[in-house]
Amino acid sequence: QKEVEQDPGPLSVPEGAIVSLNCTYSNSAFQYFMWYRQYSRKGPELLMYTYSSGNKEDGRFTAQVDKSSKYISLFIRDSQPSDSATYLCALGKPGNTGKLIFGQGTTLQVKP
Amino acid sequence: DTAVSQTPKYLVTQMGNDKSIKCEQNLGHDTMYWYKQDSKKFLKIMFSYNNKELIINETVPNRFSPKSPDKAHLNLHINSLELGDSAVYFCASSQDKRAQTYEQYFGPGTRLTVT
Repeated sequence: QKEVEQDPGPLSVPEGAIVSLNCTYSNSAFQYFMWYRQYSRKGPELLMYTYSSGNKEDGRFTAQVDKSSKYISLFIRDSQPSDSATYLCALGKPGNTGKLIFGQGTTLQVKP
Repeated sequence: DTAVSQTPKYLVTQMGNDKSIKCEQNLGHDTMYWYKQDSKKFLKIMFSYNNKELIINETVPNRFSPKSPDKAHLNLHINSLELGDSAVYFCASSQDKRAQTYEQYFGPGTRLTVT
């Protein structure tokens, strides 16, 4: 069983839709939770970062962490064609010297 | 004012050759990383250096050797290239400060194709 599971999609939505992207994990030692966005043939770009349960909001993006269920989500409101990319969750354990464990990534397409 | 840069962007080479990829960061970070992304976009850490000291060394063939001349630079040398080494290699960097260690910033990647 992989430490971090993420549905690879692809996920296709119309412009303006609310998008929900999710990851589950198996090890409760994970305390740091990141979402990266990766456009085609580009490097991953850090989008959201949280290290506690609950919600964190930044513009149209909301990251949610539920440690009891070992489940993290990224919500995108009013999705735009420019949001079309692969979204990767990444998790870290304290004292693990920066080692991030990535999900497989979900490919999102927002159609105009 | 690129934060994390890599050269070259593309690298096409034959099996058995030796090649190097260079990475530089101007963020003032203490820690640098090499990641490998396979054809299914799965991203996996290979190495990390903190102030020129090797910190993370994952299960990677010893044909791969990282070198950090100073904390702003991290290079990756690959000997005797194999077909399976074809992938995109990303450099990343972060502060070395508890939670911030996990806040990593990536370079644009080097697409390596071994023929």
